[in-house]
Amino acid sequence: DAGVIQSPRHEVTEMGQEVTLRCKPISGHDYLFWYRQTMMRGLELLIYFNNNVPIDDSGMPEDRFSAKMPNASFSTLKIQPSEPRDSAVYFCASRARSMNTEAFFGQGTRLTVV
Amino acid sequence: AQKVTQAQTEISVVEKEDVTLDCVYETRDTTYYLFWYKQPPSGELVFLIRRNSFDEQNEISGRYSWNFQKSTSSFNFTITASQVVDSAVYFCALSVRPTGNQFYFGTGTSLTVIP
Repeated sequence: DAGVIQSPRHEVTEMGQEVTLRCKPISGHDYLFWYRQTMMRGLELLIYFNNNVPIDDSGMPEDRFSAKMPNASFSTLKIQPSEPRDSAVYFCASRARSMNTEAFFGQGTRLTVV
Repeated sequence: AQKVTQAQTEISVVEKEDVTLDCVYETRDTTYYLFWYKQPPSGELVFLIRRNSFDEQNEISGRYSWNFQKSTSSFNFTITASQVVDSAVYFCALSVRPTGNQFYFGTGTSLTVIP
C-alpha cells in the first residue's frame, strides 16, 4: 500500500479564498483523522471519522472549517474563507481499528495564507 | 482527563552519545496505549513503537529502546550511540479506552545530533 496520500503538498493562497485539502487513507482502515500542526499549538486533532461518519469535530476551530468523507477512500478538509492564522501543516492520518493500533500519517499539506 | 507531557523541548547531543527522551502521561484508565512517533526535517510523522498498559516489558530495537514504568507513568525513549540521522522531533502519544479513537500527543522534543 502507498500509505496515506495527501494533496497538495504545499498550498499558498490569499486571504479570503477557499482552500480544499485532500486525503486518501490506507485501504481497509476504518478511522480517518485530520490534524493541524503549528509551532504555537503543536499537533491538534481537528476531526475524525469512523467508517466515513464524523465522530468528533470538537477540534474544528470555526465554522469556516468543514470536513467530509464521501467514501472510504477519500476525505476533504475545506477552509472557507481562509485567514492568515490558518497557516499551518495539516496532516491526515488513518488507523485500522481502535486504540490498540497505530495511526499512519500522510506527508502533510503546508498551507500558507497570505 | 488525558495528558502527555514532554518536558524537554530541545536537546542537543554530540554524535555517538546516548540520549533519553522523557514522556510522562496522565490517565485514570487502566487500559491504554502509548506510542512514539518521529518527525524528521522532511516533515512526515513516522510511527516507532506501540505499547499497551498491561505490558511493562522494556523493548529494544537496534539503537532504540523504550522504558515503560507504570509506577511513574513514564514511557521514556533512549537512543544509544546517536547519529545525525536521529535529528528530528519526537512525539509521545496516548490512546485510552473511552476515547480510544484519538491520540493525545505531547508537545514533542526536538533532538539535534551534532556531528
